[in-house]
Amino acid sequence: AQSVTQLDSQVPVFEEAPVELRCNYSSSVSVYLFWYVQYPNQGLQLLLKYLSGSTLVKGINGFEAEFNKSQTSFHLRKPSVHISDTAEYFCAVPAGGAGSYQLTFGKGTKLSVIP
Amino acid sequence: NAGVMQNPRHLVRRRGQEARLRCSPMKGHSHVYWYRQLPEEGLKFMVYLQKENIIDESGMPKERFSAEFPKEGPSILRIQQVVRGDSAAYFCASSQQGGAFGANVLTFGAGSRLTVL
Repeated sequence: AQSVTQLDSQVPVFEEAPVELRCNYSSSVSVYLFWYVQYPNQGLQLLLKYLSGSTLVKGINGFEAEFNKSQTSFHLRKPSVHISDTAEYFCAVPAGGAGSYQLTFGKGTKLSVIP
Repeated sequence: NAGVMQNPRHLVRRRGQEARLRCSPMKGHSHVYWYRQLPEEGLKFMVYLQKENIIDESGMPKERFSAEFPKEGPSILRIQQVVRGDSAAYFCASSQQGGAFGANVLTFGAGSRLTVL
């Protein structure tokens, strides 16, 4: 089964600074990759997804992620964070490969933006 | 568009009681998924349902847990004889498309947080 590892459980960053949230996946086959965001007291919403094609994926709210097959990574980046970006971010991959119903989520990274 | 609605948002039960969690999918969505988030863990898949059908329940504990999505009304996740280890956040998600691709692009509800005393 496929899995993802989010290397940082908490990331504090000052407002307007850049941020990178790290995600590594385990797979030797074609893979879909996702980032979801959970704002306080809300459900998860899709931030961006990689299915195929360009390795640089742009999502909502100025976030982007780069699929790196050689390093099996899908790190999430934003050049300048805002207070409203404070949330928990989850990396996810289909559990059984691209054709799987089930998503496997990482444990999440809590991003705290400091004014 | 009200999104995926879950209720109750918070539920407290004593050991041995039953918990019922409800989920109304987004308008136009006929595929429902339940995930569980234990403390300090990522979300874990439990079950995938379409109207009146369980498609994949491979993530459901074998005992005490059941799920349904009737022709009319919300999807229900039912936990009988709850134990402390059932304390978690239960998230429902829905999708418009079925199959693997649709299952990956999910809209989640805000979750139901179950506390077992």
